[in-house]
Amino acid sequence: EVQLVESGGGLAQPGRSLRLSCTASGFTFGDYAMSWVRQAPGKGLEWVGFIRSKAYGETTEYAASVKGRFTFSRDDSNSIAYLQMNSLITEDTAVYYCTRPIYGSDSYYFDYWGQGTLVTVSS
Amino acid sequence: EIVLTQSPGTLSLSPGERATLSCRASQSVSSSYLAWYQQKPGQAPRLLIYGASSRATGIPDRFSGSGSGTDFTLTISRLEAEDFAVYYCQQYGSSPETFGQGTKVEIK
Repeated sequence: EVQLVESGGGLAQPGRSLRLSCTASGFTFGDYAMSWVRQAPGKGLEWVGFIRSKAYGETTEYAASVKGRFTFSRDDSNSIAYLQMNSLITEDTAVYYCTRPIYGSDSYYFDYWGQGTLVTVSS
Repeated sequence: EIVLTQSPGTLSLSPGERATLSCRASQSVSSSYLAWYQQKPGQAPRLLIYGASSRATGIPDRFSGSGSGTDFTLTISRLEAEDFAVYYCQQYGSSPETFGQGTKVEIK
């Protein structure tokens, strides 16, 4: 059974940093890209970005709203994906979901989702 | 980027009724690369449909997707109690991936 478990959320002040982790099980982690989607309170879903597998150079893509502030990484030996969030702003307040992406054409859909971890950015 | 507009915003129906949800794209979605998700309060989204019309693993056949180009539809043939939720469409035909704003299906 595929499982994705996020951790690391919490309260952070504007301008500070936070690192989220996503621990995966039930599939060959190293064969897949990993992606993040967020949802602000009471709002819809927003794609944050993804990191490709080692076979594709672990290259990354980011939403314009987080580019230059957020960084993805991965530890295939432990099946963990990371989201490093720097220079946080109040608009980053959201539930962050780790997802397993399936490649379509130029981008991905998401067949498995974690339960989400809440990040609150406030002074 | 492709903007997805879902309608209606809220659909009020009774159990047993048919639900028809619309997702319209601002430009053609390549190869019908469109997915639908269901989200219940306090839960993560769940994949229902991919490729516009293929059901994900374990999804009941009362859920069906159709459409191509810029117009897509999710149909729930007979609503059951557990189907009352918010539904999102998402295109993955071009980068960046984008989601619609959601349609809430509520009990009338």
